[in-house]
Amino acid sequence: NAGVMQNPRHLVRRRGQEARLRCSPMKGHSHVYWYRQLPEEGLKFMVYLQKENIIDESGMPKERFSAEFPKEGPSILRIQQVVRGDSAAYFCASSPAYFSGANVLTFGAGSRLTVL
Amino acid sequence: GESVGLHLPTLSVQEGDNSIINCAYSNSASDYFIWYKQESGKGPQFIIDIRSNMDKRQGQRVTVLLNKTVKHLSLQIAATQPGDSAVYFCAENKLASGGSYIPTFGRGTSLIVHP
Repeated sequence: NAGVMQNPRHLVRRRGQEARLRCSPMKGHSHVYWYRQLPEEGLKFMVYLQKENIIDESGMPKERFSAEFPKEGPSILRIQQVVRGDSAAYFCASSPAYFSGANVLTFGAGSRLTVL
Repeated sequence: GESVGLHLPTLSVQEGDNSIINCAYSNSASDYFIWYKQESGKGPQFIIDIRSNMDKRQGQRVTVLLNKTVKHLSLQIAATQPGDSAVYFCAENKLASGGSYIPTFGRGTSLIVHP
């Protein structure tokens, strides 16, 4: 029973290029969350999705960032025209259907983006 | 001891000692809290959770204490082992501005266990 799968694990991009990060949730999980982590810092919430729906994107920058979770296939976090400040580890997590306010997240190993 | 500065707060202990990691949360209305452990190069891993209608919960070698009066959580690890070395985060379920309850993470504490 595979956990949350993220790829690529490491991605290097030059300024102005696009970065696409993929996340396949745990089997049976219908909710996906994306977080960003800078060195020596905690995880900052970006976006929360269910299949074909963005539920909450209040943590995501308004420009250049987008996320989707299509009916088929993984969730994608897309960063257009990357800048050096986008360099970070991006973690995806999944959970089963939200239940009684207790959403325990299972995290993937993260995708580490480096912008040159 | 514990140090706070530009880097993560750090707790250094000897193998076999008990460790106590503290966390302050921000919202008195938060009703669900989780502790995660993050080893170097990996994603956070669930350790233990607690609801606000409890003040203590025990797992295997770990205990979480919740003090709602002062909005404080602690994670106690008994007989700390070198494999416990990691960064520990507390998370509270918090209402995001988009209207959903989202696990919101604190800054983390680095636990270093010396053999």
